[in-house]
Amino acid sequence: GNSVTQMEGPVTLSEEAFLTINCTYTATGYPSLFWYVQYPGEGLQLLLKATKADDKGSNKGFEATYRKETTSFHLEKGSVQVSDSAVYFCALSRPNTDKLIFGTGTRLQVFP
Amino acid sequence: GAGVSQTPSNKVTEKGKYVELRCDPISGHTALYWYRQSLGQGPEFLIYFQGTGAADDSGLPNDRFFAVRPEGSVSTLKIQRTERGDSAVYLCASSLTITGEPYEQYFGPGTRLTVT
Repeated sequence: GNSVTQMEGPVTLSEEAFLTINCTYTATGYPSLFWYVQYPGEGLQLLLKATKADDKGSNKGFEATYRKETTSFHLEKGSVQVSDSAVYFCALSRPNTDKLIFGTGTRLQVFP
Repeated sequence: GAGVSQTPSNKVTEKGKYVELRCDPISGHTALYWYRQSLGQGPEFLIYFQGTGAADDSGLPNDRFFAVRPEGSVSTLKIQRTERGDSAVYLCASSLTITGEPYEQYFGPGTRLTVT
């Protein structure tokens, strides 16, 4: 079946540290891949997406590259800020079915 | 402009009761989705609508769950004979379309349902 696996949290970092949150997927066909973010007290928001192999999605200093050979879509940021503290969800959708399949989420805590 | 809104924000009900959860999508969005998020988990797909019709209801857990979107805008998720295991945050999302390049889904704040 189709599924997404993310590293467990919480991930705790100091401000300006480098961030990686791992995400791997299992899917039939060629899915689209997403990172969603949920800030405290807010709803889910799309952070970035990639729709085909080797695409790189980027937004707000975050990046993720669609790696078909390793079925991965790891989220990275070079220098995190306290305001990046949130829960991050990796997700996929299969072609022609926009319903999203989410991972379990990874909580990021950034301290000054 | 207004985002996706959901009412109520919180609902506490007794086991066995009937509940309705409402979603107001972004105006003009033709696709509407319901997800359920249990504590510590990612959202799980329940159903989506393209216009007035349910295009995929494969995520509904059983026949106690039903959803409608009679005029292609507002949607109501209905749960009969609620069970404690139904306790979760129910999320609604809307997007511009369903086919081709995946459009961004805009999520509402959710309805937290607690069944006692």
